[in-house]
Amino acid sequence: GAVVSQHPSWVICKSGTSVKIECRSLDFQATTMFWYRQFPKQSLMLMATSNEGSKATYEQGVEKDKFLINHASLTLSTLTVTSAHPEDSSFYICSARPPGRVRGNEQFFGPGTRLTVL
Amino acid sequence: AQTVTQSQPEMSVQEAETVTLSCTYDTSESDYYLFWYKQPPSRQMILVIRQEAYKQQNATENRFSVNFQKAAKSFSLKISDSQLGDAAMYFCAYRSVTGNQFYFGTGTSLTVIP
Repeated sequence: GAVVSQHPSWVICKSGTSVKIECRSLDFQATTMFWYRQFPKQSLMLMATSNEGSKATYEQGVEKDKFLINHASLTLSTLTVTSAHPEDSSFYICSARPPGRVRGNEQFFGPGTRLTVL
Repeated sequence: AQTVTQSQPEMSVQEAETVTLSCTYDTSESDYYLFWYKQPPSRQMILVIRQEAYKQQNATENRFSVNFQKAAKSFSLKISDSQLGDAAMYFCAYRSVTGNQFYFGTGTSLTVIP
């Protein structure tokens, strides 16, 4: 199956700093990537859809100026949490969708990044 | 928006026994995909099984099978011969044929008792 990686897997930062999380599709090109947020013992909540070469589409309630998404290539999307605060502490998961599959295509998930803001 | 409901926050099963996890969804679409994902303690999401709504036959993957009741909008997962490695959070998910977004249920935490 397709492999999606995330880096870093775990990050601790001070309040007010910015943190960048990378999502890479290792063996396929992904025109579309997705960023999810997951609080402990809760479900995944879609934050935004990242399209290569264009602006990301954010879900309602997600601050696009706080969660900057860049999808500069077909294998890399980045999520930058700007001016992070303790309430941004969460588990962030990306997924990628391979192009060219008409039906039944699925998303391949990265292993997630745990962000802790002190 | 579509909603996915998992009414069992926690379930337990004896090793080697069978367990069924429930999922219902709400949609006005006639064609869509349904998924069950497993999230073990490592937090890596793993696809367990997938069902296409236009197919009447229930999907099966080794010890995992689904009971897809389209009219009732129900999509339950049956795990046979449960193993310790099956212990995880299980999420039911819906995706439209035309859309990108996955709608996830709230999850069911499965414990396997040795």
